[in-house]
Order: sequence, then C-alpha cells, then structure tokens
Amino acid sequence: EADIYQTPRYLVIGTGKKITLECSQTMGHDKMYWYQQDPGMELHLIHYSYGVNSTEKGDLSSESTVSRIRTEHFPLTLESARPSHTSQYLCASSARVQYGYTFGSGTRLTVV
Amino acid sequence: AQSVTQLGSHVSVSEGALVLLRCNYSSSVPPYLFWYVQYPNQGLQLLLKYTSAATLVKGINGFEAEFKKSETSFHLTKPSAHMSDAAEYFCAVSWSSGDKLTFGTGTRLAVRP
Repeated sequence: EADIYQTPRYLVIGTGKKITLECSQTMGHDKMYWYQQDPGMELHLIHYSYGVNSTEKGDLSSESTVSRIRTEHFPLTLESARPSHTSQYLCASSARVQYGYTFGSGTRLTVV
Repeated sequence: AQSVTQLGSHVSVSEGALVLLRCNYSSSVPPYLFWYVQYPNQGLQLLLKYTSAATLVKGINGFEAEFKKSETSFHLTKPSAHMSDAAEYFCAVSWSSGDKLTFGTGTRLAVRP
C-alpha cells in the first residue's frame, strides 16, 4: 500500500502550458525529493526539501520549481512546458537517510 | 568525489540461474547501502538495506546482498532467477546520516525462459 502518492500518473500536454505535478505523503517525513528519469536511464535529483519552507536545487539543473508549504505536500511546477521536459518524474520521501527513501509511482510527462 | 558504480548496464540470465548484480562504492568509510528495484512505469521499491547489524542482508523476493568492506562492494544475488525478476535494479549509497542517497546508474536484468 503506497504511502506516497503522485498525480497524475500520465500527462500529455501541449507546449507552453503550465503544469503542476502533485506529490503527497502520509508518513510525516521531513525530507522529500524530486527525481527526473528518462526511459531506461539513471535517476537525476532535481529538487529536495528538508522541511517546510525549505527547498534546494539538486544535481541536475531544471526549469521546474517546487514549494513546501505543508510537510506532506511537495508539488513541482513547470511554468511553460517544452518537449525537452518529456520524462518520468519520481517523488520520494524519507525520515532519515539510513532508513532509505520511499518512492511514489511516478508521473510520466509527455509534452507535444 | 564519493561515488557508486554498478558494473554492467544490462545483465541477462536464464530462468533458474544465479543472479549477480554488482555494486561498488568509492569510500573506505562504511556507508549506508541500499538496493532498489524498478518495474516498468513504476517508482522504485526498496529490496534491502545494510544497517551494519550483519554483513549478509536478506531482502524481499529472495534477494540478498553481502557487504564486503575490504572490497567496498555490496553485490546483489538471488540463487534462482524467476521471470518476474526482470526489472531495473539500482544500488544506492549514503555516507552520513545528514546526506542524500547517491544512486548508481542502474542494471537492467533480463530473464530468458
């Protein structure tokens, strides 16, 4: 049973549209993460947060932005989608790194 | 810089054969170690983790991994592959409790009938 939820699972959207990918967790974890993953490829950390009102950019530069107004919610926004944004976006959370991360099922975004 | 390396981006085994997926990390400092599995169009699922209680760690679905400090390795094994094991496998490492996980580049396991 998933304790971290991502919506939508699949999204096809036109170029220039604004989109928000939702991520929510019910475990009370302080740490949350967004990864970008192209098909069959490695994970790239694009954003992370260690608590409310705390967000940082990850290792891979991204045009997306994130917010953390509530502990359980960590949405990712693209102001103007482009075909280069086509990818799978994975959200994860953790209480402490030694416990590992819990991942959502991902959002597969296609920009046409 | 500290890093994690998964040797072999693709591994193919016959059903019933031994599965061996390799993971090496770069630091001599004992890290936190994890293996994750990802099925198509899914997120990552934790298979097992090394917590320093025992060097041989057993996980779900019959997988296990052995922490070898002298070899800086944490290879994943399963005695007998099943068709349902076909997936992408990621090794992940963290070197401190305040740090993030560093993921390997992944190994795609194919299981031949």
